[in-house]
Amino acid sequence: AQSVTQLGSHVSVSEGALVLLRCNYSSSVPPYLFWYVQYPNQGLQLLLKYTSAATLVKGINGFEAEFKKSETSFHLTKPSAHMSDAAEYFCAVMDPVGYSTLTFGKGTMLLVSP
Amino acid sequence: GAVVSQHPSRVICKSGTSVKIECRSLDFQATTMFWYRQFPKQSLMLMATSNEGSKATYEQGVEKDKFLINHASLTLSTLTVTSAHPEDSSFYICSARVAGAYEQYFGPGTRLTVT
Repeated sequence: AQSVTQLGSHVSVSEGALVLLRCNYSSSVPPYLFWYVQYPNQGLQLLLKYTSAATLVKGINGFEAEFKKSETSFHLTKPSAHMSDAAEYFCAVMDPVGYSTLTFGKGTMLLVSP
Repeated sequence: GAVVSQHPSRVICKSGTSVKIECRSLDFQATTMFWYRQFPKQSLMLMATSNEGSKATYEQGVEKDKFLINHASLTLSTLTVTSAHPEDSSFYICSARVAGAYEQYFGPGTRLTVT
């Protein structure tokens, strides 16, 4: 079975500061990994994905993530936070064999203060 | 491209009644659709996976007689919550996937409130 752990249910940063949201995965095979963002009362929007190509993945809105197999991590970063980045962020894992289902982490709420 | 819609966006129903939620892929054919449930400030929990023309596969602990899923066409799946109770109040999100692809496209969600 696969799982993801997101450290920190809430992360607070100031506008312009570095954003770092942590995600660690557990998987018996190299997984596919995803980061999604959810704004209040909305569905999920894909930020970026890792599917066994480049380990440094760039996504939308200035976000990027690096797949580190040795650390079983896929942390999400953004150099400079915007107020509009305030939202819930979910890390998800998928077994690439058979394109199985997504397993989500518990989410991290990003709070951005002026 | 790859837009998924849900209808209604919000619904309030009385306890004991049934409510149907529609999930449509607007610009692609979705061979597989997924239904998730999300409680306030929690993650998404997969309820069931449905393939067009087949019976849905429910996750452990999900009552298939209570949450009826139909995927009759390549662009439409429906979730019917039967005999709804207040504990069924939740945010329901669907997603869709095309054959041979891994990426899921998510709908905007439906807020169900049972009074």
